[in-house]
Amino acid sequence: QKEVEQDPGPLSVPEGAIVSLNCTYSNSAFQYFMWYRQYSRKGPELLMYTYSSGNKEDGRFTAQVDKSSKYISLFIRDSQPSDSATYLCAMSALSGKLIFGQGTELSVKP
Amino acid sequence: EAGVTQFPSHSVIEKGQTVTLRCDPISGHDNLYWYRRVMGKEIKFLLHFVKESKQDESGMPNNRFLAERTGGTYSTLKVQPAELEDSGVYFCASSQARGMVSTDTQYFGPGTRLTVL
Repeated sequence: QKEVEQDPGPLSVPEGAIVSLNCTYSNSAFQYFMWYRQYSRKGPELLMYTYSSGNKEDGRFTAQVDKSSKYISLFIRDSQPSDSATYLCAMSALSGKLIFGQGTELSVKP
Repeated sequence: EAGVTQFPSHSVIEKGQTVTLRCDPISGHDNLYWYRRVMGKEIKFLLHFVKESKQDESGMPNNRFLAERTGGTYSTLKVQPAELEDSGVYFCASSQARGMVSTDTQYFGPGTRLTVL
């Protein structure tokens, strides 16, 4: 069983839609939760970071963590074509080693 | 400020050959990580340097892989001899040591796409 499960998609939505991306995990030691965005032929770029259960908002993006259910989400409001990318959830315990989900490929159509 | 750079961007080699990948971290970043993404799979951790020391090399697949970071600046990852299953994208990331390594933001390079024929 993978430590982090993420639906690879692809996910296609119309411009302006609300996007929901999710990951589940099995390792209770994970304390830090991140969402990375990766454009084609580029490296992953940190989008959101949180270390506690609850919500964290940054502009159109909201990261949600539910440690009791071992479930994290990323919501994108008013999605734009420029949001088209692969979104990767990543987690870590006490070391710097990141454990990634497989990534969800998102396409926002104008 | 320059980001993490990796060279080459793409390498095509034959099975049994040797390839060396290079990563230049962001200046001043003590932490340097190597990750790999095999097609269809998730990005997986290979190893972590703190300055020139290997902090964690638990993700290195086997002894055909050798990573070095002499002088604590750039790092190289050598694959010798390369096998077909080594094909994938190799990412390097660096972070500044500000306290707990687990909370330091890792900045990723664009990756080296390795194809072993």
